[in-house]
Order: sequence, then C-alpha cells, then structure tokens
Amino acid sequence: GNSVTQMEGPVTLSEEAFLTINCTYTATGYPSLFWYVQYPGEGLQLLLKATKADDKGSNKGFEATYRKETTSFHLEKGSVQVSDSAVYFCALTPSGGYQKVTFGTGTKLQVIP
Amino acid sequence: GAVVSQHPSWVICKSGTSVKIECRSLDFQATTMFWYRQFPKQSLMLMATSNEGSKATYEQGVEKDKFLINHASLTLSTLTVTSAHPEDSSFYICSAQTGGNYGYTFGSGTRLTVV
Repeated sequence: GNSVTQMEGPVTLSEEAFLTINCTYTATGYPSLFWYVQYPGEGLQLLLKATKADDKGSNKGFEATYRKETTSFHLEKGSVQVSDSAVYFCALTPSGGYQKVTFGTGTKLQVIP
Repeated sequence: GAVVSQHPSWVICKSGTSVKIECRSLDFQATTMFWYRQFPKQSLMLMATSNEGSKATYEQGVEKDKFLINHASLTLSTLTVTSAHPEDSSFYICSAQTGGNYGYTFGSGTRLTVV
C-alpha cells in the first residue's frame, strides 16, 4: 500500500536558519504530493502541492520538488521565522482529485528568536 | 475561505462513557467528510468517509459499532466514540471536501483522553 515517511521531530532552529524536512514516499503509479501545515490550535492547511515528476510546489517561501527517481518531496525554506513554528505533514493521494490521503507522521518545527 | 469548526478541542471522559465530536462546515456545504485519528508519533489514519444522507464507509479494522458517524446534514458530521476505553485516547480530526484542485479543509482536531 501507499506510505509516507518523514523525518522525526521536533526540529529546533534559530530564526533565519535554513530548513529542510525530509519526506519520502511509497506508492504505485504517479501520486500527487502535498505538504500540510498545522499551526497551534488550528486545523491542517494545504501549504503546497506537486502533481507530477519534477514539479516544484511553492508557497510562503517554502518549496518542495517532486523527485520520482528518489521518491522524495523534501520541504525547504531558506530563512525561517518564528511564525513558521508549526507541525508539517507530508502527504500523498494516489492520483489527482478526491482520493484517500495518506499522511506522514508530522514534523514539529520550533523556531526560536 | 472555507472553515470547518470542530468541537470540542479536547475532552476527558471516564471509561465506559460515550463522547461525541462535531464538525461543522461554516460557509459551505460538505457533501463528504473524512474522519482521521492520530496516535502519538504516528500518521493520521483515515477511519471513515461519511456522505450526507447515507451510511459512512469505514476503513478496514475500524469498528463501526464503536465509532458511530452521522452526517445528517450538509453542514454537520458527528463522530461518537461509544463505550470509550483508554486505548481510544487519541487525536481525532475531520476534513471536508471544499471544491476542486485538491480542496480539503480540516478541523482543528479533538484530543480525547479516556481515564
């Protein structure tokens, strides 16, 4: 079956540091890949997505590139802020549209001033 | 944008009692809602898919009689954990389809602790 593996947290960084959260997946065919973010006390929000190989999703300074050869979708940001402190979930759906979402375990990011 | 309101955000109950969790779509109609649970350091696992006006579809291994899902209106879906036990303690979160282009809106989640 499908699965998503992401690095365990928590990750603690100083403000303006570079962020990488690793995510790899197992799926048949060509899944769509997502990063969701959950700020304290709020629901999950879609941060970015990529639907085919070599696509780069980006939003709010975050980026992730769909690498089919390495089955990865690592999340990066060049300079994190305190307001980026949240839990980040990597996820996939088997194909585009409304399909069952498979989530990773989530990685908690804490950014300190 | 679309908002899903989930209540309560946390609840503590005694073993053997039942707990109801509500998810309301505030400014849109949610034909389909999804219920997930998450154990510490594990993924969000889909429990069931509920469609307005019909029976929920449960994932393999999820007890239908224990986790009762009702989706009686286009704006409200409820999950009732019946005869709760400590092993049911978990984080439960709902989501709703809100439109095209991978539109899922999530509630803020409910932390259930059974003592």
